[in-house]
Amino acid sequence: QSVVTQPPSASGTPGQWVTISCSGSSSNIGINTVNWYQQLPGTAPKLLVYSNDQRASGVPDRFSGSKSDTSASLAISGLQSEDEAYYYCATWDDSLNGRVFGGGTKLTVL
Amino acid sequence: QVQLQQWGAGLLKPSETLSLTCAVYGGSFSGYYWSWIRQSPGKGLEWIGEINHSERTNYNPSLKSRVTISLDTSKNQFSLKLTSVTAADTAIYYCARGIARYGFGSPFDYWGQGNLVTVSS
Repeated sequence: QSVVTQPPSASGTPGQWVTISCSGSSSNIGINTVNWYQQLPGTAPKLLVYSNDQRASGVPDRFSGSKSDTSASLAISGLQSEDEAYYYCATWDDSLNGRVFGGGTKLTVL
Repeated sequence: QVQLQQWGAGLLKPSETLSLTCAVYGGSFSGYYWSWIRQSPGKGLEWIGEINHSERTNYNPSLKSRVTISLDTSKNQFSLKLTSVTAADTAIYYCARGIARYGFGSPFDYWGQGNLVTVSS
């Protein structure tokens, strides 16, 4: 069980706006930045958002990140079929003195 | 263009030592954390540990007693050793580069292709 929690699944129809949450605590998200990764089937994860809200190079502006207190969110606007993937949040935990990943959210485009 | 290419044994018996190497092409070691991450079949990502160019290491507390990550700057490579493996260590293992200037929990901007390591008697 990870110390940062994501919903196991999310879904939306093409063109919709969806959000994926990442909930942590005062020892991780509350005091450290959050990064988001997209993992397509059979491939290595890809960096989407870093430092809470900065899009990685080449990432469409449909993807955006935010953080408030001990939670973070990834928002995807104008949902497309190719967005169907697993999404992971990641941060540092001061109590564990190590990196932690959320459990991952499977996004389905209906 | 930066590329991480990794290799190592794909089938181990229980109690053996897992050994993987990741070669870095197109970049230097300075300014980055060099990490190993694994993903058990059908599961999420688990950070194993990391090393920086000064050979400072951080390890996942749950694996620390069995893990060693080392650096060979002359070959532009870093390596992972995990001792006393069990079936629970069966996973895809990835190497990745973390951008150190973003501090602890720095983002991984480049990843290796992944290696499936299976532990079975």
